[in-house]
Amino acid sequence: QVQLQESGPGLVKPSETLSLTCAVSGFSISSGYYWGWIRQPPGKGLEWIGSMYHSGSTYRNPSLRSRVTISVDTSKNQISLKLSSVTAADTAVYFCARVDQWAFDIWGQGTMVTVSS
Amino acid sequence: QSALTQPASVSGSPGQSITISCTGTSSDIGGYKFVSWYQQHPGKAPKVMIYDVSNRPSGVSNRFSGSKSGNTASLTISGLQPEDEADYYCTSYTRSSTLWVFGGGTKLTVL
Repeated sequence: QVQLQESGPGLVKPSETLSLTCAVSGFSISSGYYWGWIRQPPGKGLEWIGSMYHSGSTYRNPSLRSRVTISVDTSKNQISLKLSSVTAADTAVYFCARVDQWAFDIWGQGTMVTVSS
Repeated sequence: QSALTQPASVSGSPGQSITISCTGTSSDIGGYKFVSWYQQHPGKAPKVMIYDVSNRPSGVSNRFSGSKSGNTASLTISGLQPEDEADYYCTSYTRSSTLWVFGGGTKLTVL
């Protein structure tokens, strides 16, 4: 059974960098698939942040591209997200998900990140 | 403003059928078969209900069905049940650099 678990600080100060990891169990990331990050501001809809293939090809939402770094650590079987220069608008629940046939088929439970001083 | 347009809310009574629309362009929904639908209950992660326009993942009730016509995709839920009350999101592959676009979400109320 494939499971994803996000983790990271729940509170980040404005202008700092948000860093999250997504631990994958039950499946080896190096075996394939795209892996993605999606966020959801409180009371709002879903926003795709970016996705990365296990081999390293990365795609990012143009509206966030300059601030987003996504990486894969196959030795730890985890995916990471870094979002720099955060503001209150980046306050959201952040989800990681596996992509299969262009659908996000398995999701983590999500982690809430608040940007505040 | 979301790239895909969904109605903000729909409602129906138990046992009825409802349809949620998702309108895009020829660059996304109209050009590809990669439309998927997600159900999200409050405080929970989204769950894929339909992929590739009309395919149901294993374990998803056959009361859920998807279709597409032109630039509009649709999710139909038949035999509404109280547990179907949730938010529903559509998404599509797009040939733009965004790769994926989401709809703004539709709140389904089961009366």
